[in-house]
Amino acid sequence: AQTVTQSQPEMSVQEAETVTLSCTYDTSESDYYLFWYKQPPSRQMILVIRQEAYKQQNATENRFSVNFQKAAKSFSLKISDSQLGDAAMYFCAYRTPYGGATNKLIFGTGTLLAVQP
Amino acid sequence: IAGITQAPTSQILAAGRRMTLRCTQDMRHNAMYWYRQDLGLGLRLIHYSNTAGTTGKGEVPDGYSVSRANTDDFPLTLASAVPSQTSVYFCASSDRQSGELFFGEGSRLTVL
Repeated sequence: AQTVTQSQPEMSVQEAETVTLSCTYDTSESDYYLFWYKQPPSRQMILVIRQEAYKQQNATENRFSVNFQKAAKSFSLKISDSQLGDAAMYFCAYRTPYGGATNKLIFGTGTLLAVQP
Repeated sequence: IAGITQAPTSQILAAGRRMTLRCTQDMRHNAMYWYRQDLGLGLRLIHYSNTAGTTGKGEVPDGYSVSRANTDDFPLTLASAVPSQTSVYFCASSDRQSGELFFGEGSRLTVL
């Protein structure tokens, strides 16, 4: 069965600095998607970034980028120029393509990010 | 565009009572999901539905049931609530092209 591991329950970063959140996963599939979701105190689940496994290029969305290492099954999230609004719980998630073996998102346990002014 | 609407937002319930959490989407997504979120455990899948008329069990299905009579609605029922079902419940639907899940705002359920 596929699993997603986030080994950092909590992280802290100074405003304007860079922080990296770690995520590893286990799968025997070759085609899949990986996601990072953000959950601020409002409880809303917000998609931060998405990566298709067949793409070698790392996904980037403004200040958010990933380091996708397929062979190592690693999918870390880098937040540059951290802002107070980045403070939230961050979840890493995995799924296979629609209709595939895992037609649902499997989540890690989350990393709570604090941003210090 | 409403996206996914969950109701109620919050509920306190006596143990043994029956409770239905409602979920409606207006995006015409085929797949829908129910997750529960507990501190330190992340989000765990309870039940899912790949298309109207079909449902499947997730990681933690015991004590819960679902139905999918049409594309838009996916209610979650607790037949006889127990304190361990105290949690925040999220309904979600899936876009076929991107694989992204779109979430409702969650329902906080407390079982006493």
